[in-house]
This record gives sequence, C-alpha cells and structure tokens, in this order.
Amino acid sequence: GQNIDQPTEMTATEGAIVQINCTYQTSGFNGLFWYQQHAGEAPTFLSYNVLDGLEEKGRFSSFLSRSKGYSYLLLKELQMKDSASYLCAVKDSNYQLIWGAGTKLIIKP
Amino acid sequence: NAGVTQTPKFRVLKTGQSMTLLCAQDMNHEYMYWYRQDPGMGLRLIHYSVGEGTTAKGEVPDGYNVSRLKKQNFLLGLESAAPSQTSVYFCASSQGDASDLMFFGEGSRLTVL
Repeated sequence: GQNIDQPTEMTATEGAIVQINCTYQTSGFNGLFWYQQHAGEAPTFLSYNVLDGLEEKGRFSSFLSRSKGYSYLLLKELQMKDSASYLCAVKDSNYQLIWGAGTKLIIKP
Repeated sequence: NAGVTQTPKFRVLKTGQSMTLLCAQDMNHEYMYWYRQDPGMGLRLIHYSVGEGTTAKGEVPDGYNVSRLKKQNFLLGLESAAPSQTSVYFCASSQGDASDLMFFGEGSRLTVL
C-alpha cells in the first residue's frame, strides 16, 4: 500500500527553527509537495521537490532524498502566523497525489 | 481574484437527504478535484476531472457523483447522505496533471445527522 508518515503535532518557540519530517512509501515517485493549512482554511502551496537536495524559499526550505523516501520542511525565524498544519503529499507513478495526515505546528511566544 | 469558490460553506443534512456542492474556478484550469478531509487522515480524493465533460473515480467515490458540464464548474452530489459522509470537502483545480500545483477552495463543512 501507499503510505505517508508525518508527526501528528509539534511545538516550537517564536523565533526558533523547526524541522517537520515526512517519510513515504508509494508506487513510484513523481514529486513531493508541501502545503500549509491554517485552521478552517484551504491548503496553500509551499514547495515542490522532484530532485534530491534542498530547495530554499525565504524562511522556508524543503529537502528531498528519493533513495531514503524522506523529505523535511525547515521553517526558520518562526512567527506566530506559522501556526498551522503542514501537509506532505507525494505524486505517485499515476500522477495521483497521496496525502499525509498533516503535522499541526504550534508556535509559543 | 476569486480563484476557486465553493458553495455552500456549511450544511447540515439528515440521513437520506440529497445535496449538491458547487465548485467554480476562474483560472481556466483543465483539472478539477473533489477531496474530503477527516480528522487524523490525509486528504482523500473522491472524484476528479481532466477536462470538460470528463469525470473519473478517486480513492473514495462510493456514495458520491460528479458532473463537469462546463469547464469552470465541478459539482459534487450526494444522493442519499449518510453520517459517514460528515466531513470537510475541498475542491481544487490545476492547470495540468497532478504535477502542477493545486489551488484549493475554502472548503465546505457538511454534517449528516
């Protein structure tokens, strides 16, 4: 079966750095997405990785290792507005997106 | 820019009632999707469409029907609602296949009593 694992919940302090991990087992791989979802709102796109390595976009970075079936999202200089759920999704061999259950990130002052 | 718009935002149904959720996008996207989101689970694909007049089943299609008569609209129907269909429903659209990023609507919270 296809599976995406993420921690259910994480807590971090404002101004700090947090790393959210995602491991996946899918039938094929055609890219990995990270989305942010604030409570009661729609998911919004954060990053896309298809090749191994680190993609940096401002305070957010995303890393991919295809051989390990592993990705992480790194958030720097955390702000209160970063409190949200972070969804990892993998595109399988049929180009269908398989979604993780999401990691709820709580930022404390 | 409206993007992806869903109506209604909230609805309470009794078991056995029917209803339709409407999704409209103004980005001229070919692909449209209906997902449901339940606590502790990832987004699950109900049905999707790769263009006007086409529909296909996703991971959890039972109990739902869809139609894509116009490119900009994607309708999700529940013919006979069941409590198991209590969920938050999200519509999304994308330009190409799932390799392109998706734009989501704000969600429709449905409760079936």
